[in-house]
Amino acid sequence: AQTVTQSQPEMSVQEAETVTLSCTYDTSESNYYLFWYKQPPSRQMILVIRQEAYKQQNATENRFSVNFQKAAKSFSLKISDSQLGDTAMYFCAFMKLLNNNNDMRFGAGTRLTVKP
Amino acid sequence: ETGVTQTPRHLVMGMTNKKSLKCEQHLGHNAMYWYKQSAKKPLELMFVYNFKEQTENNSVPSRFSPECPNSSHLFLHLHTLQPEDSALYLCASSQGELAAQETQYFGPGTRLLVL
Repeated sequence: AQTVTQSQPEMSVQEAETVTLSCTYDTSESNYYLFWYKQPPSRQMILVIRQEAYKQQNATENRFSVNFQKAAKSFSLKISDSQLGDTAMYFCAFMKLLNNNNDMRFGAGTRLTVKP
Repeated sequence: ETGVTQTPRHLVMGMTNKKSLKCEQHLGHNAMYWYKQSAKKPLELMFVYNFKEQTENNSVPSRFSPECPNSSHLFLHLHTLQPEDSALYLCASSQGELAAQETQYFGPGTRLLVL
């Protein structure tokens, strides 16, 4: 079974600073996808960034980037130039790359607060 | 907004009540999901429907009964729930079968309290 661990229940960062959220996972699969989702207070969960395990290049989406270390089974999220709107719960998630397999496993989440 | 709506947004029910949660997606997707989000626990996948057919049931108790009449609508029928079933229930959708390569779009959730 796949497990996803987020070891930081809460974090805070000053506006305009950079913060890194940690995620580790456990799997015996070689092909899979990793995701970071953002859930703002009282708002819908949205996808922040996605990484295919077979790609060595780290995914980047504007101010959001990941550090994917496949051998270490680590998938951290870096938020640059933090903004107040980045305040949210962040969930790391794992999905196997199999046809018709929709089973996504989530970590417990990290609550990020961006301070003005 | 993500194009996935859920009603009601809040629900309080007794253990003997019967209620239903509704999810609707306006994205033309073919796969829909129910998740349970409890405090301080990871999201738990409950049910998956692909093209209206149930493809996943992660050992969910029978007091939760899903229904997918068409690819745009998904229901979760609730009966004789327990207080530990109190949680945020999230609906999501994605384009179709190869979900690992697709983004799941989430609804705002229904906050359920079982008394």
